[in-house]
Amino acid sequence: QSALTQPRSVSGSPGQSVTISCTGTSSDVGGYNYVSWYQQHPGKAPKLMIYDVSKRPSGVPDRFSGSKSGNTASLTISGLQAEDEADYYCCSYAGLGVFGGGTKLTVL
Amino acid sequence: EVQLVESGGGLVQPGGSLRLSCAASGFTFSSYWMSWVRQAPGKGLEWVANIKQDGSEKYYVDSVKGRFTISRDNAKNSLYLQMNSLRAEDTAVYYCARGVKSFQHWGQGTLVTVSS
Repeated sequence: QSALTQPRSVSGSPGQSVTISCTGTSSDVGGYNYVSWYQQHPGKAPKLMIYDVSKRPSGVPDRFSGSKSGNTASLTISGLQAEDEADYYCCSYAGLGVFGGGTKLTVL
Repeated sequence: EVQLVESGGGLVQPGGSLRLSCAASGFTFSSYWMSWVRQAPGKGLEWVANIKQDGSEKYYVDSVKGRFTISRDNAKNSLYLQMNSLRAEDTAVYYCARGVKSFQHWGQGTLVTVSS
């Protein structure tokens, strides 16, 4: 149950694209298509942005997309907007759940 | 509208016990796995435990095994987390969340502080 590895921070200017990586092992990220991504603003509960690697819940803008290659999953945010500034967490389910350490996205 | 409302948090001394509750509404509670996720102050999210629809399967993160017990009452649309032998490192906001492979709905969280 080791935490998934995410970069501590990423940044981008409005309109640009950023990608956040999430690295696990063949026992979690690489072994199952159950990777999800969460956005969390300060003092708020997390919000589901992507589930099952690349599916978007209703209401999440299509600027948010997910993918996976081997043991690494990625969240890409295109057309960055100021309101995208938040912490982002990946999560993998493999019988048990495990989260990444979180990535702080700064919109410059 | 799906709603999850946690309660039961507070200040407790090391070694003490606390029982968290999560009241669910707006969906058929008995049809979903449910989970507890926590977040220590200034830290990331940590999955704690989950429970199958009928309560027949329960899973825990290693750090709480033997100390925490997850349960549910489908007649009352409620999820619980009994926390015993609490430690300082259990200090966190505890969220109730619907699901197990992903968490589409979350409560607002309840703060548990373990301190003397």
